[in-house]
Parts: sequence; structure tokens; C-alpha cells
Amino acid sequence: DAGVTQSPTHLIKTRGQQVTLRCSPKSGHDTVSWYQQALGQGPQFIFQYYEEEERQRGNFPDRFSGHQFPNYSSELNVNALLLGDSALYLCASSFWGPLQPQHFGDGTRLSIL
Amino acid sequence: AQSVTQLGSHVSVSEGALVLLRCNYSSSVPPYLFWYVQYPNQGLQLLLKYTSAATLVKGINGFEAEFKKSETSFHLTKPSAHMSDAAEYFCAVTGAGGTSYGKLTFGQGTILTVHP
Repeated sequence: DAGVTQSPTHLIKTRGQQVTLRCSPKSGHDTVSWYQQALGQGPQFIFQYYEEEERQRGNFPDRFSGHQFPNYSSELNVNALLLGDSALYLCASSFWGPLQPQHFGDGTRLSIL
Repeated sequence: AQSVTQLGSHVSVSEGALVLLRCNYSSSVPPYLFWYVQYPNQGLQLLLKYTSAATLVKGINGFEAEFKKSETSFHLTKPSAHMSDAAEYFCAVTGAGGTSYGKLTFGQGTILTVHP
């Protein structure tokens, strides 16, 4: 039973570029959430997708956008990259609902030069 | 609004000693609380969750946590530390309604070091 898978594992970009990160949820899960984890910090919630719609959003600018596909997989897009966007980006999947535990992937390490 | 404060960014114990990692929360709605563990270069793994069914919650790997509403705390304990427990631990809170629905708010994390 495959868990949450994310690609790529590492990525290097320069300021001003855009990036797309991908996530496949754990089998059976229908909800995907994205988090940003800066070095030495706890994860910060970016947004959550269910039924192909953004259901919740954290305090992140519009440069951060996402999408969920009919097969429940998801993408995170970041435009106009800044040095401060360097972080580990974590995808978590779950069944819909606040009591449902979120299962995390190993993340994508994004470095901005 | 919700928030979590983890007291102590680093905790060091000897193998076999008690592990105590502290977490205090703030929430405007009834909270649901979680503890996650993160090993180097990995994602987060769920240790245990509190969802109002019982105040003492048992999790994986011998960890447990007690929800104390009067103290707004959800401290994580393990009676006897093992070398394999060395990792970073995160406390997180979410709520069943409003803007907190389904959104995990994490603390800053506590790095646990276990000495032989």
C-alpha cells in the first residue's frame, strides 16, 4: 500500500522563476493539504483541496496556487519565486474531515538561488 | 484562531529515562490535538491524536499524551527512552469548525536527543 508520494525530491530554482510540485495521495484518500516547512520551523499550512476545490487557505500570497485532479492527486504552483520560498514542501493526504489524521509524504526540498 | 507552543526547543535524556515533551495550545473552538514525529530528511509520522473521546491517549512506539483542558496542555510522555526515539517532535491543533476546519497548526518543534 503506497503512502503519500511527492515529486521531485529536490529542486533548485532561481529568483523570479516558477515551480510546480506534485503529490499523489495515499490510496483511498480524497483530501490533499500542502505545508511549507522552513529550516528549523514547524510546518505552516498553505491550502487544502477536496473535490477539486480549494477548501481552506493559510496566510500565503496569491503566488501560491494549487490544483487537485479527478484522481485526487494534486499540484502546488509557486510563481515569481523569492529567496524566502526556500523550504521543505510537504503534502499530506487524508479522508475529508477535521478528525481524520493527515498522512505526510517525505516532501520536496526547494532551494532558491 | 489557534496556536501551539512547545516549551523547549531541545530536550536531552538518557536511554531508559522518562521522556516529557511539553505542548500548550490556544483555541477558540474545541481543539483536536496531534503529536507527530519527524526523522531527518523524512516527512511527519502521526504518533497519536486527541479527539475528545478520552483524555489519556496512547499512541505508537510506547508514547502517550494527556489532554488537560484546565491547563490547556497536551504533553507527550514515554516511560523509558530508546535510542531510536531521537527525532524532532511536533504538536499540532485543529478544530471542527470555522477557519480552523481541517487545517493543522503546528508548534515550532522539539528536538529529542537520547544519550546512551
